[in-house]
Amino acid sequence: DVKVTQSSRYLVKRTGEKVFLECVQDMDHENMFWYRQDPGLGLRLIYFSYDVKMKEKGDIPEGYSVSREKKERFSLILESASTNQTSMYLCASSRAGGAEQFFGPGTRLTVL
Amino acid sequence: QKEVEQNSGPLSVPEGAIASLNCTYSDRVSQSFFWYRQYSGKSPELIMSIYSNGDKEDGRFTAQLNKASQYVSLLIRDSQPSDSATYLCAVNLGGYSTLTFGKGTMLLVSP
Repeated sequence: DVKVTQSSRYLVKRTGEKVFLECVQDMDHENMFWYRQDPGLGLRLIYFSYDVKMKEKGDIPEGYSVSREKKERFSLILESASTNQTSMYLCASSRAGGAEQFFGPGTRLTVL
Repeated sequence: QKEVEQNSGPLSVPEGAIASLNCTYSDRVSQSFFWYRQYSGKSPELIMSIYSNGDKEDGRFTAQLNKASQYVSLLIRDSQPSDSATYLCAVNLGGYSTLTFGKGTMLLVSP
């Protein structure tokens, strides 16, 4: 089975803090994705990566950056957290050429 | 604008009935279609994928695709209270590996 894990289930941070969310997959997938999910807005793509050290902006990249130094790990960085970044953050992965994505358990981030 | 549309619901059905969930999408180039189930507070779980016109059955679930009408549906037979969840439709609009998700339909199955 595909396994995608995320570093924290719940996280509380202060405004202005730098926040790291980590995602690891164990199925040797080439593609990895970061989404946020908010009530009424659905799932929105922040960034994705097709390969190590490669990244592409999604629909809402502002205020975020990413890092992919190893194939199995994809990190989402909030350089200076703001209250409007309070959300559920979901990581997903898929194989090269495939659109079928598998999700991690999510991190519920609260920025105070 | 490329979109995936779902009725937000809730769709309420009695236990044992057939639940029918619908999704329309805006891009004729799309080739891959997925249904995810999401329980409250949990992450989406892939339950069905369909790539060609027609029906695909997996247990109590049937996915139906009509590319000409740009329409994909999910039927759940013999609905159970444990099927109560939000169902997300996802489409690779434009044929890319990224997915565009609908906002989901909440299904409530009453005992």
